[in-house]
Amino acid sequence: SQTIHQWPATLVQPVGSPLSLECTVEGTSNPNLYWYRQAAGRGLQLLFYSVGIGQISSEVPQNLSASRPQDRQFILSSKKLLLSDSGFYLCAWRDREGGNTIYFGEGSWLTVV
Amino acid sequence: AQTVTQSQPEMSVQEAETVTLSCTYDTSESNYYLFWYKQPPSRQMILVIRQEAYKQQNATENRFSVNFQKAAKSFSLKISDSQLGDTAMYFCAFMKPFFGNEKLTFGTGTRLTIIP
Repeated sequence: SQTIHQWPATLVQPVGSPLSLECTVEGTSNPNLYWYRQAAGRGLQLLFYSVGIGQISSEVPQNLSASRPQDRQFILSSKKLLLSDSGFYLCAWRDREGGNTIYFGEGSWLTVV
Repeated sequence: AQTVTQSQPEMSVQEAETVTLSCTYDTSESNYYLFWYKQPPSRQMILVIRQEAYKQQNATENRFSVNFQKAAKSFSLKISDSQLGDTAMYFCAFMKPFFGNEKLTFGTGTRLTIIP
């Protein structure tokens, strides 16, 4: 069965510091991968999605970037965090071989101080 | 662009009762998918139920069922025999399928509290 893991689960970072959140999917090949952000008390906003290695599409211009160095690995990064980057970040995947459901990881809480 | 609207920010119901959460959406597409996700206090987003727009039959998953009204663009979630573990944020979501980069559009959520 397929599983998705992301880490770290919780992160407190000072303004101006770098960020790296990592996500991996097991049990599937060539998935679509997504990064969503959920600000406090709000819905989910799609940040990035990827349909293959090295292929990244950005939905919202911002201080963040994403990379997909391997088929089942998706990384969310920032060189210099802003206070507004605080939130709950969710990695998600979809099976491209006929799957029409997007499944989510456990999420990562980021607090920028 | 698609939009999803959940007009009930908060709801509460007694344990064992039935509750219905509302969702409406706006799209010009004829084929799409609709979802209800549950986000408990742990914050993990868990799939509750899925509906394909081309299917007339309403989806059911144990105590969870939907009332899908395609013409009205309405997609409500009914939870029967509610349990304390059903306490969570519930998000309605829309996905337009096409090869490659299917994306979910979420509503703003309904916070459901089950009262013991």
